[in-house]
Amino acid sequence: DIQMTQSPSTLSASVGDRVTITCRASQTINSWLAWYQLKPGKAPKFLIYKASSLESGVPSRFSGSGSGTEFTLTISSLQPDDFATYYCQQYNSYPRTFGPGTKLEIK
Amino acid sequence: EVQLLESGGGLVQPGGSLRLSCAASGFTFSSFTMGWVRQTPGKGLEWVSVITGNGRDTYYATSVRGRFTISRDNSKNTLYLQMNSLRADDTAVYFCAKDDVRGGSSDYWGQGTLVTVSS
Repeated sequence: DIQMTQSPSTLSASVGDRVTITCRASQTINSWLAWYQLKPGKAPKFLIYKASSLESGVPSRFSGSGSGTEFTLTISSLQPDDFATYYCQQYNSYPRTFGPGTKLEIK
Repeated sequence: EVQLLESGGGLVQPGGSLRLSCAASGFTFSSFTMGWVRQTPGKGLEWVSVITGNGRDTYYATSVRGRFTISRDNSKNTLYLQMNSLRADDTAVYFCAKDDVRGGSSDYWGQGTLVTVSS
């Protein structure tokens, strides 16, 4: 199975900050990577597919980049609604696997 | 509007079985790969299984292979997850998810159903 790691595990930031979350795969996954946002008691929200393509309706302050084994999710100017946990997921091969998550907290 | 509504969760003893259902609406169900993802207490998301639109191909996480079976009834627009030989570490909220048209990532999710495995 492809192992996914994320760093940091927790990130403290303020409204207006620019933040970056890193996701790494144990082997190349080309660009087959998605990002999701999860809030307590809610369904996951789909943000980005194919590493850098923004899902329709997702604010443009979210962006993704990377290919191969290293990827990033950047939020250019944090809004109050963005404080949540973020997960990357590879879909290059089965079984699909998620990273352990990055919790974005208010500083 | 796409809607996914899970049901069937509950309390079950270790070694027991449970069947989850996911009723889908708002899209052509048979055209999309569908799957299950779970969120364990205090932990993150774990991918569980998917099934292709025609039901011919199924894939499983290593942790559930041989114990869980995914299936679908396209005439009823419903996805299922039969869970056997349940263990305490299967305790989680189980989400139903629809693959997006490009395949591989999940664009719509249900609200989840809680499965608790405990004696």
